[in-house]
Amino acid sequence: NAGVTQTPKFQVLKTGQSMTLQCAQDMNHNSMYWYRQDPGMGLRLIYYSASEGTTDKGEVPNGYNVSRLNKREFSLRLESAAPSQTSVYFCASSEFSLGTSHDQPQHFGDGTRLSIL
Amino acid sequence: GESVGLHLPTLSVQEGDNSIINCAYSNSASDYFIWYKQESGKGPQFIIDIRSNMDKRQGQRVTVLLNKTVKHLSLQIAATQPGDSAVYFCAENRGRVKAAGNKLTFGGGTRVLVKP
Repeated sequence: NAGVTQTPKFQVLKTGQSMTLQCAQDMNHNSMYWYRQDPGMGLRLIYYSASEGTTDKGEVPNGYNVSRLNKREFSLRLESAAPSQTSVYFCASSEFSLGTSHDQPQHFGDGTRLSIL
Repeated sequence: GESVGLHLPTLSVQEGDNSIINCAYSNSASDYFIWYKQESGKGPQFIIDIRSNMDKRQGQRVTVLLNKTVKHLSLQIAATQPGDSAVYFCAENRGRVKAAGNKLTFGGGTRVLVKP
């Protein structure tokens, strides 16, 4: 059982290059999320997809786009990479939640370490 | 703005002792809280969660306490082991993602160092 799988694990880009980070989950979760984690900080939400076919902005969406390809896959794209986007990117997924009593934790992949020169 | 924060950035604990990690939150509307453990080079790993209709919840060697009056959350680890060395994050659910999933806000993390 792989859980949440992210590819690639490491990547170095030059300023202005584009790149797509891939994420897939095998837990049949409805909701998926993209976070970034900067040194010494917690995770910040970039974009999320509540269910297949929907995507919405999170706390720090500028410079990113996402695609919910199907229920399993949720990709994050940097159209024109900037040094400020150097970070570790985490994808997560969670079960469908109808309300307070149905909240379920998010499960994370091991991240993509992205450096932009 | 409102945020989830941690009182202690680093906690050193002797192997075998109990650890207590604290977290303050400011959004009184948050009703679901999670503790995650993150080891070097890994993603956050779910430890335990608690809903706002509970004050305490226990897992294997871990206990989460929620004090809604003072908006405080804590994680207690019993008989701390070397494998418990990691960064621990608390997260709060500040809103529902269109009635599916949840939007979590994370604190800055506390590093736990277990001394042999």
